[in-house]
Amino acid sequence: QQQVKQSPQSLIVQKGGISIINCAYENTAFDYFPWYQQFPGKGPALLIAIRPDVSEKKEGRFTISFNKSAKQFSLHIMDSQPGDSATYFCAASGSARQLTFGSGTQLTVLP
Amino acid sequence: NAGVTQTPKFRVLKTGQSMTLLCAQDMNHEYMYWYRQDPGMGLRLIHYSVGEGTTAKGEVPDGYNVSRLKKQNFLLGLESAAPSQTSVYFCASSYLTGLVGQPQHFGDGTRLSIL
Repeated sequence: QQQVKQSPQSLIVQKGGISIINCAYENTAFDYFPWYQQFPGKGPALLIAIRPDVSEKKEGRFTISFNKSAKQFSLHIMDSQPGDSATYFCAASGSARQLTFGSGTQLTVLP
Repeated sequence: NAGVTQTPKFRVLKTGQSMTLLCAQDMNHEYMYWYRQDPGMGLRLIHYSVGEGTTAKGEVPDGYNVSRLKKQNFLLGLESAAPSQTSVYFCASSYLTGLVGQPQHFGDGTRLSIL
């Protein structure tokens, strides 16, 4: 049972454009929603995270938007750069602190 | 400060062979995790540990065993490898605090092929 659904599977964006990746979750007990970035041959690394008491969190060019009623959250990458080309995973966890990951989005930013 | 170190980085096994993957962290983290990553499926939790001497099953534990004899090490064992266990295995660790949302720190993975 996939508790966190992520889309799209792949995304191609021009340099300077906006990249948007969407996730939806089913378990209302989830209370922490991180995004991880993974480069080829490396492990995932935490990019940005949000808790459900806020609707938006921004760190530099990266913004998480959170819609609790719709059980959806999304990652927006503004002014996308070729160096942002990576695989992005959304995730969710609850009190057990176990992360449930989405299936991943492979982002390619064209120069 | 190396963070999370996984050994080996690559390994090829024959069906039925056994092996152990080693994860070591130097951040004094209480929690440690083993995931497997397969194309189109994200990362799936195999087993995890909330402290030295404790382990628990994750989402896909069948065919794997783990041990955490020391706080800094978490071992993943395959007793009789099967082709379905061909995957990239990641270890991660995190702090235990009263706050929700401690980030997990990942190693760079072990690429395991079973023929």
